Amino acid sequence: EVQLLESGGGLVQPGGSLKLSCTASGFTFSNYAMSWVRQAPGKGLEWVSSITASGRGTYYADSVQGRFTVSRDNSRNTVYLQMNSLRAEDTAVYYCAVHRGNYPSENLDVWGQGTTVTVSS
Amino acid sequence: QTVVTQEPSFSVSPGGTVTLTCGLNSGSVSTSYYPSWYQQTPGHAPRTLIYSTNIRSSGVPDRFSGSIFGNKAALTITGAQADDESDYYCLLYMGSGISMFGGGTKLTVL
Repeated sequence: EVQLLESGGGLVQPGGSLKLSCTASGFTFSNYAMSWVRQAPGKGLEWVSSITASGRGTYYADSVQGRFTVSRDNSRNTVYLQMNSLRAEDTAVYYCAVHRGNYPSENLDVWGQGTTVTVSS
Repeated sequence: QTVVTQEPSFSVSPGGTVTLTCGLNSGSVSTSYYPSWYQQTPGHAPRTLIYSTNIRSSGVPDRFSGSIFGNKAALTITGAQADDESDYYCLLYMGSGISMFGGGTKLTVL
């Protein structure tokens, strides 16, 4: 069974940093692209970032470009989201999801349960 | 600035049919955008319903179907059930690794 488990969320002050992790099981992690999607309280889904299966390609929404960095460790079956210069508007539940192939053009398949990030003083 | 558009809300009677759409503020949605659809109930993670325009994800009932309808992607629910009451989101692949969600449609079954 494919499973994704996010961790690393919490309360952080504006301007601070946080690193999220998503650990995968039940599939050959190194063959699939991964994405991060967030949902602010009471709002819709927002695509944040994607990374190719190899890790050589990384992509970001304009709202996080230059502040967030996505990476992966295929030996640990884990994808990361390093979030710097956090703002109140980054407050959200962050989901990781696996694509159906090795590049983000392949649609999202399975989702994790999410981890909550709160940016507040 | 590109915006992916969805109806904010929709209502359907039990057993009825409803079509939700996913468009662009400029231009048409085609299969080249690999439109996909996701269902989400409050407090839960999204669930993938449809990918690559019209392919049902594993375990999704066949009352859910996807298509291109005019210049938009469409999700049709045939024979709506009470537990179809959810938020529905479309996702378009914009190219160069970038994806974009629509604002979501809140579906009420009553």
